[in-house]
Amino acid sequence: GENVEQHPSTLSVQEGDSAVIKCTYSDSASNYFPWYKQELGKRPQLIIDIRSNVGEKKDQRIAVTLNKTAKHFSLHITETQPEDSAVYFCAASFTQRGKLIFGQGTELSVKP
Amino acid sequence: DTGVSQDPRHKITKRGQNVTFRCDPISEHNRLYWYRQTLGQGPEFLTYFQNEAQLEKSRLLSDRFSAERPKGSFSTLEIQRTEQGDSAMYLCASSSGLAGGHTGELFFGEGSRLTVL
Repeated sequence: GENVEQHPSTLSVQEGDSAVIKCTYSDSASNYFPWYKQELGKRPQLIIDIRSNVGEKKDQRIAVTLNKTAKHFSLHITETQPEDSAVYFCAASFTQRGKLIFGQGTELSVKP
Repeated sequence: DTGVSQDPRHKITKRGQNVTFRCDPISEHNRLYWYRQTLGQGPEFLTYFQNEAQLEKSRLLSDRFSAERPKGSFSTLEIQRTEQGDSAMYLCASSSGLAGGHTGELFFGEGSRLTVL
């Protein structure tokens, strides 16, 4: 079926450390993998995305890597800051028409 | 504000009543999505539209749920005979379809929170 698994569900790091969140997807035809950040009481917002024709994408302290063979992708946040504390969701597209299925979320806590 | 807007923001209803939520997407976006989110969970796909066409509805979705987008602009999500298990945040999102049918960034609304007593 259409499924996106996300791990870990909670992650606590010290300010300045790196954080890594991993997702696996079920459909080898999936071709779009965005990451959303949701702060408490707010709407999810896109922070980075990657398409299946590239293996890695970086935007300042945030990077995403994709392994199509293994059907998994990861979010890497370096030099974490307290304002990075939020819930992060991965997602993957299913069907050619772009239906997005989300993972269960990772609550990241960055301790000063 | 030119973002995605949802109405009402909060709805409290008694079990068995019908409720309707409205979503106004970003005007130039042709895709519109409905998701449901409960505390501590990721957004759960409900349905999505391209223009006025409903492309897919979740197989897990009860027949009590129906959505429309009659003119390819705003959309409504109706829940009939509400149950306590329907209590959740209902999120709407819109995006512009890209070449080849790919999806662009989803822009979410603030959500409509439903409480069923």
